Amino acid sequence: ETGVTQTPRHLVMGMTNKKSLKCEQHLGHNAMYWYKQSAKKPLELMFVYNFKEQTENNSVPSRFSPECPNSSHLFLHLHTLQPEDSALYLCASSQERRNLGFGPGTRLTVL
Amino acid sequence: GENVEQHPSTLSVQEGDSAVIKCTYSDSASNYFPWYKQELGKRPQLIIDIRSNVGEKKDQRIAVTLNKTAKHFSLHITETQPEDSAVYFCAAAHSGGYQKVTFGIGTKLQVIP
Repeated sequence: ETGVTQTPRHLVMGMTNKKSLKCEQHLGHNAMYWYKQSAKKPLELMFVYNFKEQTENNSVPSRFSPECPNSSHLFLHLHTLQPEDSALYLCASSQERRNLGFGPGTRLTVL
Repeated sequence: GENVEQHPSTLSVQEGDSAVIKCTYSDSASNYFPWYKQELGKRPQLIIDIRSNVGEKKDQRIAVTLNKTAKHFSLHITETQPEDSAVYFCAAAHSGGYQKVTFGIGTKLQVIP
């Protein structure tokens, strides 16, 4: 299962730190996504990029900043996070009319 | 926007029995309904999907049904096995230039040997 990869797999950070999550897809897909998965909540769509243009920002706080330099790479820059931001962050990609495929996720803990 | 309701939130069945998970959606424009299985510590994986032009789809022990009029769709797993234990997510989407997928809250299925 190497179609969508994410690094790091685990991240612990303080509220004043700045860190970045990285996602890479090797499937030639044209859309990439960030989802947040918290306990007892549905998967929450955060951002969508289509052909590296941001097409969706689901009212995400500005302490989360996405970057999509090309159709294969997606970043999520994090700064001044809160403990409630601790969650599993899943990257995904899709091609027109084809299935949404997820990466393994980054387990983020904010202290 | 789209809203997807899923129930039950937890489901325990004996091995060999059937399991049914039900979802409803709110946006009549949704036309694509995937189901994902997420095992503990792993990524969600697509197991089956259905498009709005069909009412039922089967893949071995798994079937999905769709009632567009009522905006209901369901996942049916027959002859359950311990390896079916996982969290199952339903979702609804518009299938266009890209897919914006709205997920249900998930159902934790436990198959008891």
